[in-house]
Amino acid sequence: NAGVTQTPKFQVLKTGQSMTLQCAQDMNHNSMYWYRQDPGMGLRLIYYSASEGTTDKGEVPNGYNVSRLNKREFSLRLESAAPSQTSVYFCASWGTGRAPYEQYFGPGTRLTVT
Amino acid sequence: AQKITQTQPGMFVQEKEAVTLDCTYDTSDQSYGLFWYKQPSSGEMIFLIYQGSYDEQNATEGRYSLNFQKARKSANLVISASQLGDSAMYFCAMRELSYNTDKLIFGTGTRLQVFP
Repeated sequence: NAGVTQTPKFQVLKTGQSMTLQCAQDMNHNSMYWYRQDPGMGLRLIYYSASEGTTDKGEVPNGYNVSRLNKREFSLRLESAAPSQTSVYFCASWGTGRAPYEQYFGPGTRLTVT
Repeated sequence: AQKITQTQPGMFVQEKEAVTLDCTYDTSDQSYGLFWYKQPSSGEMIFLIYQGSYDEQNATEGRYSLNFQKARKSANLVISASQLGDSAMYFCAMRELSYNTDKLIFGTGTRLQVFP
């Protein structure tokens, strides 16, 4: 049981390049999320998927696309990276843990766009 | 709209002392959940404690307790007997649940530094 996994852990892109961040969870959770965390700030929601086959925008969706490939996997794509997208990206999913509801987070992807 | 406010950018505490990290929230919902997460320098998000809006007792998890004052809309985290390993960023968050969304909204965090 690996929980929530993300790849890659680190990435450096040049402005205009594209890439896909991968996320997978093995806990059979329905809902999955992509957040970004900028220095000195809390996490802000980019996109989420309440169930397989559905996706919706969060607070800061511009410049991103997502795919919910199946129940396990939820990917985030940057089509044309910009320096403003330099951030740490977290994938998460809801589940029952010690709390009635607990969001499980992946380890994060540190992305730098030059 | 729901909002979480953490007014302490940084806090210092001596080892073995207790410390309170402040969190206030704003919501018009009657049913909601409040969370605290710890983020050490390694970057991962670690769940600490949860309080439901209908829970009559304050939540506790080991050295962590949540001082829930519903009328004041505050959900402060109390860490007793601080340890050097408690040095980290701490985020308060609230669950926002509506017909088309179920997500956490986060405060800006408090950086706690524990000194010997």
